[in-house]
Amino acid sequence: NAGVMQNPRHLVRRRGQEARLRCSPMKGHSHVYWYRQLPEEGLKFMVYLQKENIIDESGMPKERFSAEFPKEGPSILRIQQVVRGDSAAYFCASSRTARTSGGTPETQYFGPGTRLLVL
Amino acid sequence: AQKVTQAQTEISVVEKEDVTLDCVYETRDTTYYLFWYKQPPSGELVFLIRRNSFDEQNEISGRYSWNFQKSTSSFNFTITASQVVDSAVYFCALSEAQSGYSTLTFGKGTMLLVSP
Repeated sequence: NAGVMQNPRHLVRRRGQEARLRCSPMKGHSHVYWYRQLPEEGLKFMVYLQKENIIDESGMPKERFSAEFPKEGPSILRIQQVVRGDSAAYFCASSRTARTSGGTPETQYFGPGTRLLVL
Repeated sequence: AQKVTQAQTEISVVEKEDVTLDCVYETRDTTYYLFWYKQPPSGELVFLIRRNSFDEQNEISGRYSWNFQKSTSSFNFTITASQVVDSAVYFCALSEAQSGYSTLTFGKGTMLLVSP
């Protein structure tokens, strides 16, 4: 009955390096969402993916950030050439679907987050 | 545009006190859902409740209760007889039908500190 898994839990990178954050959804969940939590802020939506498809990336910066959710394996959030402003907690959530057959939203269950620190 | 406001940045109470966390939201959608999540010091987000815009009945779960008032666009959360383990950051969030419910809009959170 494992929940959403994220790794690493903590990641330290120097400016200009790449950061790769992984998210394994709950068993039976095929929808993944990434959120970013800046210090003293609430979570901000970044991107929503289903297997092999990006559904909504309206919250993701246009440059340096990319996300994927391959047919096999975890979802990956990739940040190239990190800058200090990328330091944040990155949360992944998953749901079985986006909406139930009755039209109600499926609850998103969150992972423990990855704390990224850019030096 | 949708927005969630949690005006209380931090609340400190002594154990066994009751405490209410405020949440005010803005949306143009007539169909939407409201959520509360708890983020304990360990950092993960724990789902607490989901409420749809057509159901204004208050809900009680143990020491937790929620008061949804559509007239004031508020969805407040009360903890009765607070305990030290309730210390956490609490987030209110909104999900709208027009976005396909695919995204959550969060407030900035209220940090609750319960001291013995």
